[in-house]
Amino acid sequence: DGGITQSPKYLFRKEGQNVTLSCEQNLNHDAMYWYRQDPGQGLRLIYYSQIVNDFQKGDIAEGYSVSREKKESFPLTVTSAQKNPTAFYLCASQKRKQTNTGELFFGEGSRLTVL
Amino acid sequence: DAKTTQPNSMESNEEEPVHLPCNHSTISGTDYIHWYRQLPSQGPEYVIHGLTSNVNNRMASLAIAEDRKSSTLILHRATLRDAAVYYCILNNFNKFYFGSGTKLNVKP
Repeated sequence: DGGITQSPKYLFRKEGQNVTLSCEQNLNHDAMYWYRQDPGQGLRLIYYSQIVNDFQKGDIAEGYSVSREKKESFPLTVTSAQKNPTAFYLCASQKRKQTNTGELFFGEGSRLTVL
Repeated sequence: DAKTTQPNSMESNEEEPVHLPCNHSTISGTDYIHWYRQLPSQGPEYVIHGLTSNVNNRMASLAIAEDRKSSTLILHRATLRDAAVYYCILNNFNKFYFGSGTKLNVKP
């Protein structure tokens, strides 16, 4: 079945450590996104990519990094520079780039806790 | 950036219609109005979207005001499975702006 797979589902990290969250999609979608969600809050955009080897910062990119070496993969690294990384992270993809009508498909999320 | 305003929570009885309002007074001519919903500890799922005309699909209906400064998501017969947080979002060329959403409680 086609979809978006995020891993790991739960992750614990010590302060000062970098951690990479995986996001893979087999929907042949062009655009991919990373969002952060804090308890009781909406989603905030971290990074997005419309094409391989290209990505743009979202509203809260500081302390995060991404890569888009393959169309189906868009990993997110949470670096030690991110001051408050404990959150629920959501990856999404969209079929067409630069469109206002494309539906976003979300993964099931990765919950990161910093100890 | 355009923003949306929604009530924090609403309550409905099962099998009754639900009208979820959204204000977006700063909407631009190229912004589409999208609605997504999110169950606890899951990613959001698409519900419906529109530009100017009212839209219907198997999940819901979207009523858009003539001046486009507000819209209403209509669930025709709420079920317990419709209990979720509903987000009204403006989509402008790949940037989706999520607010805090409306938490819908459905009473049996």
